[in-house]
Amino acid sequence: AQSVAQPEDQVNVAEGNPLTVKCTYSVSGNPYLFWYVQYPNRGLQFLLKYITGDNLVKGSYGFEAEFNKSQTSFHLKKPSALVSDSALYFCAVRAVTGGFKTIFGAGTRLFVKA
Amino acid sequence: DGGITQSPKYLFRKEGQNVTLSCEQNLNHDAMYWYRQDPGQGLRLIYYSQIVNDFQKGDIAEGYSVSREKKESFPLTVTSAQKNPTAFYLCASTVDFGGRTTDTQYFGPGTRLTVL
Repeated sequence: AQSVAQPEDQVNVAEGNPLTVKCTYSVSGNPYLFWYVQYPNRGLQFLLKYITGDNLVKGSYGFEAEFNKSQTSFHLKKPSALVSDSALYFCAVRAVTGGFKTIFGAGTRLFVKA
Repeated sequence: DGGITQSPKYLFRKEGQNVTLSCEQNLNHDAMYWYRQDPGQGLRLIYYSQIVNDFQKGDIAEGYSVSREKKESFPLTVTSAQKNPTAFYLCASTVDFGGRTTDTQYFGPGTRLTVL
């Protein structure tokens, strides 16, 4: 069965510091992996995705994520956090074959302090 | 601008009433989805539609119903059979269903439903 784990309910960082939001997954076969961001009372916005190729994926707003097959992880990173990055972040996974469903993690709330 | 719209933004329902949440997209996407979001639980799939005049139950379909009479519209009805309907409801679409080319989901702004 597919699953996604975001082990941290909340991440706190100071503005200007690097940030990491963790995600691990379980899926049969190769995965499609996604990160989405949600601002208060809004829908989710796509940040980036990994389909195949380079393990380091660059996305919107300076975010990037690294696909690590051996650790089944897809951590979201940014070299220098902004206060405006404060939001709820969701990791999602879909198996390349054998199913259509995208599974979302429970979300990690990021607080960036000025 | 292309995108997904949901209405209303806030909806209040009395117990025993059915309510319908609107979802419209002008992205020309084939597939559409309804999710429910509760605090700390991520998104749970209610219903999905691969194409016009077709829809399938997701993980938590009980107490909900949908229709897909037009490509751009996928309304969700929350019936009185849904025991705990207070939640944030999100509609989404993808270019196609289970496609290899892109699985990026485009989300509407959501509807917050509160049962009084």
